[in-house]
Amino acid sequence: NAGVMQNPRHLVRRRGQEARLRCSPMKGHSHVYWYRQLPEEGLKFMVYLQKENIIDESGMPKERFSAEFPKEGPSILRIQQVVRGDSAAYFCASSPETRGSNEQFFGPGTRLTVL
Amino acid sequence: QKEVEQNSGPLSVPEGAIASLNCTYSDRVSQSFFWYRQYSGKSPELIMSIYSNGDKEDGRFTAQLNKASQYVSLLIRDSQPSDSATYLCAVNVWAQAGTALIFGKGTTLSVSS
Repeated sequence: NAGVMQNPRHLVRRRGQEARLRCSPMKGHSHVYWYRQLPEEGLKFMVYLQKENIIDESGMPKERFSAEFPKEGPSILRIQQVVRGDSAAYFCASSPETRGSNEQFFGPGTRLTVL
Repeated sequence: QKEVEQNSGPLSVPEGAIASLNCTYSDRVSQSFFWYRQYSGKSPELIMSIYSNGDKEDGRFTAQLNKASQYVSLLIRDSQPSDSATYLCAVNVWAQAGTALIFGKGTTLSVSS
């Protein structure tokens, strides 16, 4: 039973380029969450999605960041015109639709480095 | 502003001892509580979840929850060097899927052999 999958595992971009991070949730999970972990900081929520819907994007920066979870394929976190401050580990998590439980399981993460 | 506080450590214990990790949270209506383990350079791994006051045991791990004191703890019995990691406390307002986890910054545990 495959866990949450993310790719790429490492991504290097130059300032001004675009970064696309992909996440496939665990089989049977319909809830996808994106978190960011900056060096020496805790995990911070960014966005919560279900298929074809952004449910909560209260943690997303107002500019340059977007997310989607299409009907077919993985969820994508897109960062346009990256800056050095975007360098971080980006984790995707998923959870099942189980009443009374909201355990979230994390993927291996994408380490983004902006040069 | 909802907050989760943890002592950053490092917490150092000898092999075989009990490690005690603590966490407090600010939002009184929080419903679900989690402990994650994160090795350096790796992703968080869920090790315990607890929803009701009291103790929950799973192998060498015991989670303790006191909602009146807004306090949750993790005890690791018979600590092993492989337990050396950062332990993240996470809190959620709801007990069902669909809301964000709020994380503390983590406590670093070091178990010496």
